[in-house]
Amino acid sequence: QLQLQESGPGLVRPSETLSLTCSVSGGSISINSYYWVWIRQPPGKGLEWLGTIYYTGRTYYNPSLKSRVTISADTSKDQFSLNLRSVTAADTAVYYCARQPFGHYHMDVWGKGTTVAVSS
Amino acid sequence: QSALTQPASVSGSPGQSITISCTGTSSDVGDYNSVSWYRQHPGKAPKLMIYDVTNRPSGVSIRFSGSKSGNTASLTISGLQAEDEADYYCCSYTSSNTYVFGTGTKVTVL
Repeated sequence: QLQLQESGPGLVRPSETLSLTCSVSGGSISINSYYWVWIRQPPGKGLEWLGTIYYTGRTYYNPSLKSRVTISADTSKDQFSLNLRSVTAADTAVYYCARQPFGHYHMDVWGKGTTVAVSS
Repeated sequence: QSALTQPASVSGSPGQSITISCTGTSSDVGDYNSVSWYRQHPGKAPKLMIYDVTNRPSGVSIRFSGSKSGNTASLTISGLQAEDEADYYCCSYTSSNTYVFGTGTKVTVL
């Protein structure tokens, strides 16, 4: 059964770069049947789509974050990563990684999420 | 891109039916049959309940159904149960090759 697990620092200082990794087990990110997605949820607020990557490296980003966000994939490790530069307190959130079936528009498998606080 | 509009809260008694609306624009909800719905219990990750407007993933109760008319999608929960008390979010693909979520609806079972 496919599982996704987010990992990374729980605390990031303002103006620094937030870096998270999503490890995929029970499957491979290299197959052409899925996209891989990052989503976040600030405390007490709704969900926000951050971006998507295909195993070829093709990426799609939320335009509100496009200048600060990079998503990459390491197919040899079945991992994909999120880098968010120049963070502020507004980037404090639970960050989720998820799987999106190719040719569809939904996220069918989610990680449990990891909490990241931005604070000095 | 602006979040899709959902009612902040909806409530119902056990056994009743409730409907949650999700209003977007002709560039997202109205342009594609791509609306999905997610249920989120406190402290938990979202769970897919409906995809492509009307489709239910394997394992999701038939009490959950989806529909769409114009720029507004809807999720109906029939035979409301205590376990349905949660936050619900809609999501749509957009004409800009991006995704936008709804503002979220808190469902309370009275």
